[in-house]
Amino acid sequence: DADVTQTPRNRITKTGKRIMLECSQTKGHDRMYWYRQDPGLGLRLIYYSFDVKDINKGEISDGYSVSRQAQAKFSLSLESAIPNQTALYFCATSDRGSESYNEQFFGPGTRLTVL
Amino acid sequence: AQTVTQSQPEMSVQEAETVTLSCTYDTSESDYYLFWYKQPPSRQMILVIRQEAYKQQNATENRFSVNFQKAAKSFSLKISDSQLGDAAMYFCAFLSNFGNEKLTFGTGTRLTIIP
Repeated sequence: DADVTQTPRNRITKTGKRIMLECSQTKGHDRMYWYRQDPGLGLRLIYYSFDVKDINKGEISDGYSVSRQAQAKFSLSLESAIPNQTALYFCATSDRGSESYNEQFFGPGTRLTVL
Repeated sequence: AQTVTQSQPEMSVQEAETVTLSCTYDTSESDYYLFWYKQPPSRQMILVIRQEAYKQQNATENRFSVNFQKAAKSFSLKISDSQLGDAAMYFCAFLSNFGNEKLTFGTGTRLTIIP
């Protein structure tokens, strides 16, 4: 079974709709991240969380919100989706307490299309 | 803020040959990590190799090695004996050892393997 899972894997929605992307991990890591990938731009950080009570904005947080429901779950919400939020979204985890704490482990990605 | 530049949007190499992907970065910090991630058509982000800035020795992982030039802020990836399965997007990424530990990615290089 995958250590970092994302649901849904693909989603098509309409402008103005609220949508939630979910991320779960079984790695026991304390840190979780949401990235967005656009063609030609690489991955950019949206939000990150170092534990359940520590949530921080990344470089492109406008239009997004997050919730860390538990150590293993980190959800990304688009309150009112717009077409330029069409992208591939990745969740990632890392563990400060491990020897490889600087390594981030990625989920399989969610492809979101906003019409 | 850190920046990562990959100046080669696309590269191609004959199967079994060697190819080098370029990456430069800009930072005022002295303690950081550099990574190469591979993204095949499955879109999964896979860590290829990692380099700690305080280590002068270049990292190697089987057919993958890096040429880390700290003073020049250069971090290239060499793939030896290229295989068809190496075809993918390759992203260079920077991680500060201070602050929020967010990955800063380059825009990627698409590598094609010619049979």
